[in-house]
Amino acid sequence: EVSLVESGGGLVQPGGSLRLSCEVSGLIFSRYWMYWVRQAPGKGLAWAARISGDGSATTYADSVKGRFTISRDNTKNMVYLQMNSLRGDDTALYYCVRERPGRGVALDYWGQGTLVTVSS
Amino acid sequence: SYELTQPPSVSVSPGQTASITCSGHKLGEKYISWYQQKPGLSPVLVIYEDTKRPSGIPERFSGSNSGNTAALNITETQAMDEADYFCQTWDTNTMIFGGGTRLSVL
Repeated sequence: EVSLVESGGGLVQPGGSLRLSCEVSGLIFSRYWMYWVRQAPGKGLAWAARISGDGSATTYADSVKGRFTISRDNTKNMVYLQMNSLRGDDTALYYCVRERPGRGVALDYWGQGTLVTVSS
Repeated sequence: SYELTQPPSVSVSPGQTASITCSGHKLGEKYISWYQQKPGLSPVLVIYEDTKRPSGIPERFSGSNSGNTAALNITETQAMDEADYFCQTWDTNTMIFGGGTRLSVL
């Protein structure tokens, strides 16, 4: 059974940093692109970042580019999101998600999310 | 930047067919996915590559995509289908979600 478990969320002051972690099990981790998708309270879904299976390629949403860094450790089946220079509009539930292999980009396995609150 | 537009809400009577639309420029030339999200839960993929259903998704769920509009159709709608639905595509190295549609089964 595939499982994605996020951790590392919490309360942080504006301008601060936080590192999110996601432990993945139940699949051959290194084969898949992995994503971070966030959802502000009461709002819709917004993509933040993605990383290729071998970690050599990354892509970021404009809203986080230059502030967030996605990485992975395929020896530990972990994916990370380093978040710096946090702002109030970064407050959200952050989901770790797997991309389903195929012609289109679809996200088929989601974690339960970890909540990040940016506030003074 | 590319945008996907969904109606904020759709209402349907139990047993009827619900149709949720998602509009974008030349959307039919891209692949669309649909997600269902119930309160307090993580999203669930219900349609990918415009028309395909993942394992475990009922046949009542179907998708289409042509021109500038994609649609998620739910036949024989049940109370358990009440949820938020989000469309999603990929354009110029960016993942885009629609704003979401709240489906009410009344």
